[in-house]
Amino acid sequence: EIVLTQSPATLSVSPGERATLSCRASQSVSRNLAWYQRKPGQAPTLLIYGASTRATGIPARFSGSGSGTEFTLTISSLQSEDFAVYFCHQYNNLPQAFGQGTKVEIK
Amino acid sequence: EVQLVQSGAEVKKPGESLKISCKGSGYNFANFWIGWVRQMPGKGLEWMGIIYPGDSDIRYNPSFQGQVTISADKSITTAYLHWSGLKASDTAIYYCARQGINPYWYFDLWGRGTLVTVSS
Repeated sequence: EIVLTQSPATLSVSPGERATLSCRASQSVSRNLAWYQRKPGQAPTLLIYGASTRATGIPARFSGSGSGTEFTLTISSLQSEDFAVYFCHQYNNLPQAFGQGTKVEIK
Repeated sequence: EVQLVQSGAEVKKPGESLKISCKGSGYNFANFWIGWVRQMPGKGLEWMGIIYPGDSDIRYNPSFQGQVTISADKSITTAYLHWSGLKASDTAIYYCARQGINPYWYFDLWGRGTLVTVSS
């Protein structure tokens, strides 16, 4: 079973600054990794799939990179609506798995 | 509108049974895998399993196999998650989410979640 480890657990960022989130897999998942955003009381939203492809309607300030075991989600200039929890998800193997999440909070 | 609508919050006692639902609309429900994801209080997301409503092919996470039953009724475009005997440790938010046309895909559409509280 693949384990995804996200870091940091919490990231304090000022609006307008850049945020960099990491997701590490215990074994290679190729590029079969997605990122989601979850806000309190709302359904999670798909941001990135295939490690770097933005989902429909996702702003260009969100970008994903990586392959194999190391992945990064970058938010280039944080907007107020971006403060949320972000999860990575590998779908290369069954059982699929999620990371534990990174909370992006206002500094 | 393409959406997944989940059933409402439940409060149950240990040992009781429960079935929660997830109704899909706005797309061909039978042709997309549907997954269930658990979020325990203060914890991350856990992949429980997925079902293909077209033929009820199911893939369970071994950690959940035998603990829950996943099913679907394509005639009413609804997927289900069932417990025959709840435990306090089943207290969590349960999300359903749509995958693609094969079991190795991301979730592109999520329900808002069903809060299940198990307490004596």
